[in-house]
Amino acid sequence: EPEVTQTPSHQVTQMGQEVILRCVPISNHLYFYWYRQILGQKVEFLVSFYNNEISEKSEIFDDQFSVERPDGSNFTLKIRSTKLEDSAMYFCASRDDTYEQYFGPGTRLTVT
Amino acid sequence: TQLLEQSPQFLSIQEGENLTVYCNSSSVFSSLQWYRQEPGEGPVLLVTVVTGGEVKKLKRLTFQFGDARKDSSLHITAAQPGDTGLYLCAGASNFGNEKLTFGTGTRLTIIP
Repeated sequence: EPEVTQTPSHQVTQMGQEVILRCVPISNHLYFYWYRQILGQKVEFLVSFYNNEISEKSEIFDDQFSVERPDGSNFTLKIRSTKLEDSAMYFCASRDDTYEQYFGPGTRLTVT
Repeated sequence: TQLLEQSPQFLSIQEGENLTVYCNSSSVFSSLQWYRQEPGEGPVLLVTVVTGGEVKKLKRLTFQFGDARKDSSLHITAAQPGDTGLYLCAGASNFGNEKLTFGTGTRLTIIP
């Protein structure tokens, strides 16, 4: 069964460093999302992406964040200068033209 | 800001009992999805409800979407230890973009 994959599963970085989180959405899906979940808190929407552009972003998604679909399969989230409060699980999700969003296993980002 | 409140936050019952968990909001959603999340993993989609009043069954799980598309319930019949987990509801809004607003979650424990 097709699934969303994410790499790495765990990323440890120092404050101020850049990180790139990678996702491979389900192959025939058209809509892509990033969410994050701080430990013990709710899953929060970060950004949605469709037709090679951002369709919506949350207040969390400031100038330090960017997304890209560099080829036909990958979808990336870049954080330019990480802060301690960026430590969280980051989930990629995708969907086709139905309502159902499928989530990847997540990348645990730890900023020290 | 859209909010989804889930109740109860924690529920612990004996194997074989029935239970219902609730997901409530003052906002209207285009669809509502139920997920199950294991520790350290991504949310796994259980069901999507779209039409007000819709009822969907998945083996012993029954999902209902409120008539006004603001609330939902999940009913489990004859709970089993394998049902133990964190259940999340998530409402899709911004018709077309379908970003998800997640609820606070219900942590369910089934005691053998």
